[in-house]
Amino acid sequence: DTGVSQNPRHKITKRGQNVTFRCDPISEHNRLYWYRQTLGQGPEFLTYFQNEAQLEKSRLLSDRFSAERPKGSFSTLEIQRTEQGDSAMYLCASSPWTGGGNQPQHFGDGTRLSIL
Amino acid sequence: SQQGEEDPQALSIQEGENATMNCSYKTSINNLQWYRQNSGRGLVHLILIRSNEREKHSGRLRVTLDTSKKSSSLLITASRAADTASYFCATVTNTGNQFYFGTGTSLTVIP
Repeated sequence: DTGVSQNPRHKITKRGQNVTFRCDPISEHNRLYWYRQTLGQGPEFLTYFQNEAQLEKSRLLSDRFSAERPKGSFSTLEIQRTEQGDSAMYLCASSPWTGGGNQPQHFGDGTRLSIL
Repeated sequence: SQQGEEDPQALSIQEGENATMNCSYKTSINNLQWYRQNSGRGLVHLILIRSNEREKHSGRLRVTLDTSKKSSSLLITASRAADTASYFCATVTNTGNQFYFGTGTSLTVIP
């Protein structure tokens, strides 16, 4: 078990640029979640996948955000035309799905995005 | 927002003392989980309590759940400096599909 891996750890970019983050979940986990966390707050749900299917997206998620999980393995989160308000920590978590949701989530250390 | 709230927002105690933090939430749940987060790192799962359970123990951790009051508490006994972190509760919806995290309690344990 190598844990959940996220890359890059830090990303600094100018407003208006596109950015892409990668998450490699624990290999046998079929559920993968993306969260956004701002300073002093808890993680805020963005979207989740079961295998390669994206099953739910937060209503708060702008259409500038898109996520993929090709072949049900790693996942990418892309933000187009970044804005100042996108500055945050982006966290990925994975878990096995056994029905009922009685499983903990395993988190990566996140990608910290700073918009100049 | 379905996000829960932890209370207090910040807590500072001496090593060896007990730390208690509370979580209140709004909707019915499948289970409630507590996580810890060290500065600049991801969250680490601590303990899970199902909606039909009232109390659970794991090492120095004790969690209670009162579904009628929609609240939970986490007790850390005999605290250590290494327990310094932010603690979050997460409520899991009845479908088991979504996790809603609270606002967190920042715990400082003074050696």
